[in-house]
Amino acid sequence: QSALTQPASVSGSPGQSITISCTGTSSDVGGYNYVSWYQQHPGKAPKLMIYDVSNRPSGVSNRFSGSKSGNTASLTISGLQAEDEADYYCSSYTSSSPWVFGGGTKLTVL
Amino acid sequence: EVQLVESGGGLVQPGGSLRLSCAASGFTFSSYSMNWVRQAPGKGLEWVSYISSSSSTIYYADSVKGRFTISRDNAKNSLYLQMNSLRDEDTAVYYCARHLTGMDVWGQGTTVTVSS
Repeated sequence: QSALTQPASVSGSPGQSITISCTGTSSDVGGYNYVSWYQQHPGKAPKLMIYDVSNRPSGVSNRFSGSKSGNTASLTISGLQAEDEADYYCSSYTSSSPWVFGGGTKLTVL
Repeated sequence: EVQLVESGGGLVQPGGSLRLSCAASGFTFSSYSMNWVRQAPGKGLEWVSYISSSSSTIYYADSVKGRFTISRDNAKNSLYLQMNSLRDEDTAVYYCARHLTGMDVWGQGTTVTVSS
């Protein structure tokens, strides 16, 4: 049950776009279209931002988008805003676990 | 309002036991699978356990298998996590989360501290 690999941190200026990667294997990210992304502000519970690779739950801004290529999934945030500053976690269904999270990425809005 | 509220956390000595509860409201609890997810201080999220809507399918992370037991009472709209043989590394905030396509509703979490 190894965690999915995410960059520890990313940063961007307001209005810019950033992308967070999430790398797994053919047994998780690459093998299933069940990748989710979660946003977590300090001291708060996680919030679902993307499910099934690229779908947004109702109420989530269309500035958030997801994609996948091979064993790597990506979360893109466009038109970066100060309120986007948070930790982001990817998650995938796996053939063994059955769910695994990434190590998390701290997004800093400069 | 769709809501999950965890309770039962606290301070326990290594080797001890604790039972967490998660009270659901605002949705048909019996129709949804549920998860427990934990977060150690300053660390990332770790999936702990899953239970299907009818309790027919249950999964555990290797780190808790044989020590933790997930269960639910659909009549009481409640999810539980019985934690035995607790270790220092089980110290974390424990969240219950509804499972649809992704974990779409989360509770506020309950803190478990394992320390002598």
